Amino acid sequence: NAGVTQTPKFRILKIGQSMTLQCAQDMNHNYMYWYRQDPGMGLKLIYYSVGAGITDKGEVPNGYNVSRSTTEDFPLRLELAAPSQTSVYFCASSYMSNQPQHFGDGTRLSIL
Amino acid sequence: GENVEQHPSTLSVQEGDSAVIKCTYSDSASNYFPWYKQELGKRPQLIIDIRSNVGEKKDQRIAVTLNKTAKHFSLHITETQPEDSAVYFCAASGSSGGGADGLTFGKGTHLIIQP
Repeated sequence: NAGVTQTPKFRILKIGQSMTLQCAQDMNHNYMYWYRQDPGMGLKLIYYSVGAGITDKGEVPNGYNVSRSTTEDFPLRLELAAPSQTSVYFCASSYMSNQPQHFGDGTRLSIL
Repeated sequence: GENVEQHPSTLSVQEGDSAVIKCTYSDSASNYFPWYKQELGKRPQLIIDIRSNVGEKKDQRIAVTLNKTAKHFSLHITETQPEDSAVYFCAASGSSGGGADGLTFGKGTHLIIQP
């Protein structure tokens, strides 16, 4: 099993550009999450999904969108990139709520 | 929503000594408390977790204690080794946005093991 796979690993965007961060898991987990981690800080929840077709906002959803068309995939979309979105983005998954979350290796995103 | 405070932000101990990291949480409905270890440039990795129906849990040199009444939980690492050097994050179930799912993380403790 690959676990949670995130692509790309690194990306530089210009202000106003858009992009999609990809996340896939092969553990048949129901729950998937997107977090962002700013330098020297903990992780903050952006969006999460409890199953295909169901998504909900976390603590910092503004400027982002998600979709969950399959159990395996949970892409995160940035529509109009802003410097404040420079961060490391982690995708995670768990079988159920309040179960261990397994993290991907992260995407390091810089907005210039 | 949930709020998690973590202390200290940096902890330096001699190799072989014990390390203790403390966290408090605000939402009495939270019932799951994991601890993650993150090495520089790597992903967070779960090292131990505890649920609200348990007061203490041990796994070799690592233990976690939970005081539901006081809303605090702690990570204890005994006989510290150089490979324990990393940033440690506590978390509590429930999000700062108010949802019941997802985790709210503390800001992290940079643990330094001095040889």
